Amino acid sequence: DTAVSQTPKYLVTQMGNDKSIKCEQNLGHDTMYWYKQDSKKFLKIMFSYNNKELIINETVPNRFSPKSPDKAHLNLHINSLELGDSAVYFCASSPGRTRNQETQYFGPGTRLLVL
Amino acid sequence: GQQVMQIPQYQHVQEGEDFTTYCNSSTTLSNIQWYKQRPGGHPVFLIQLVKSGEVKKQKRLTFQFGEAKKNSSLHITATQTTDVGTYFCAGTSGTYKYIFGTGTRLKVLA
Repeated sequence: DTAVSQTPKYLVTQMGNDKSIKCEQNLGHDTMYWYKQDSKKFLKIMFSYNNKELIINETVPNRFSPKSPDKAHLNLHINSLELGDSAVYFCASSPGRTRNQETQYFGPGTRLLVL
Repeated sequence: GQQVMQIPQYQHVQEGEDFTTYCNSSTTLSNIQWYKQRPGGHPVFLIQLVKSGEVKKQKRLTFQFGEAKKNSSLHITATQTTDVGTYFCAGTSGTYKYIFGTGTRLKVLA
């Protein structure tokens, strides 16, 4: 059973399109995250939700909008895609009970290529 | 803002040689974690260090947290080809926000 799953695994799209990436975790965790990993492998946190409440919102263009319909799901919608959005997007989850000792479990990643 | 740097950025070693990556934070950390990402894969949690000066071992891997809780290191003894990947440290100042280091890409030559 996959603990943290993401769909789609690959996404190739044209500039200007709108796309969504979905994430689900079956670990019973309260906290979920979105990270962006660029071509240099830098991992940057974008958003985090704890019990469906947004708790981390980094300096991300407002074209990116996360949505958590329930504790097990965190989706990422991107409007008006730009070339610079090409990256690997990782979803992660953590128990969410001890904020400074949270082991994060990462999904397999979504490789987004904007043409 | 808080920054976490890692050195070196890249390291190529012969199989059997030792390897060390260093992690330095611009601010004092509550705890630090280490992750490994295989090529084409996703980050996988290795360990967490919480106490000042803490040292933990996992087989050939030794992790250390600095006395000032601003730096950490990961040492691998007698590298194997299975150690290939990018090693990230990730630190927090006491919140859910973990800042990932810049990563060290390890290549092991057989």
